[in-house]
Amino acid sequence: AQSVSQHNHHVILSEAASLELGCNYSYGGTVNLFWYVQYPGQHLQLLLKYFSGDPLVKGIKGFEAEFIKSKFSFNLRKPSVQWSDTAEYFCAVNARRNNRLAFGKGNQVVVIP
Amino acid sequence: DAGVIQSPRHEVTEMGQEVTLRCKPISGHDYLFWYRQTMMRGLELLIYFNNNVPIDDSGMPEDRFSAKMPNASFSTLKIQPSEPRDSAVYFCASSSWGGRDETQYFGPGTRLLVL
Repeated sequence: AQSVSQHNHHVILSEAASLELGCNYSYGGTVNLFWYVQYPGQHLQLLLKYFSGDPLVKGIKGFEAEFIKSKFSFNLRKPSVQWSDTAEYFCAVNARRNNRLAFGKGNQVVVIP
Repeated sequence: DAGVIQSPRHEVTEMGQEVTLRCKPISGHDYLFWYRQTMMRGLELLIYFNNNVPIDDSGMPEDRFSAKMPNASFSTLKIQPSEPRDSAVYFCASSSWGGRDETQYFGPGTRLLVL
């Protein structure tokens, strides 16, 4: 079964700072990769996803992620965060053979105005 | 499409009572998932269905939990009897498979508090 690791569970940064959240997965086969965002008190929303093609994926709200197959990584980035980016961010992976998502523990990001 | 619909949005009940959570997946989706989210354990998959058939219920905590999907547009998650440790946010998600978009889309969740 696949597993997902997210480090630095709590991240605190100031507005305009750059953000990078790491995501590593363990699965040797072909995968689909996702980043979801959960704003305070809300449900999970899709931020971006990678199925195939260009490994640099651009999502909503200025976020992007890069799939590096050799490193089993799918790190999320945003060059300049805003206070409204305060949220919890989840990386998720599923093997192409099945529809079951494995989620990481999440990164709680707090952006200070 | 209205997205995944869940009801109720909030539920407060007393220990020992039966709780029923409801979910309406996105029309046309053939997969439905039930998740539980807590501070301690994060996001856990409880059970998922494909074409109304339960595929994997290994995440269901114990016999007090049961889930059904009588048709393609409705699923329930039942807890009987409920216990305080069941307090959590329960999410339903749906997806299609084999098409161009295999993303899971989440509902707004049901916040359950068992006193």
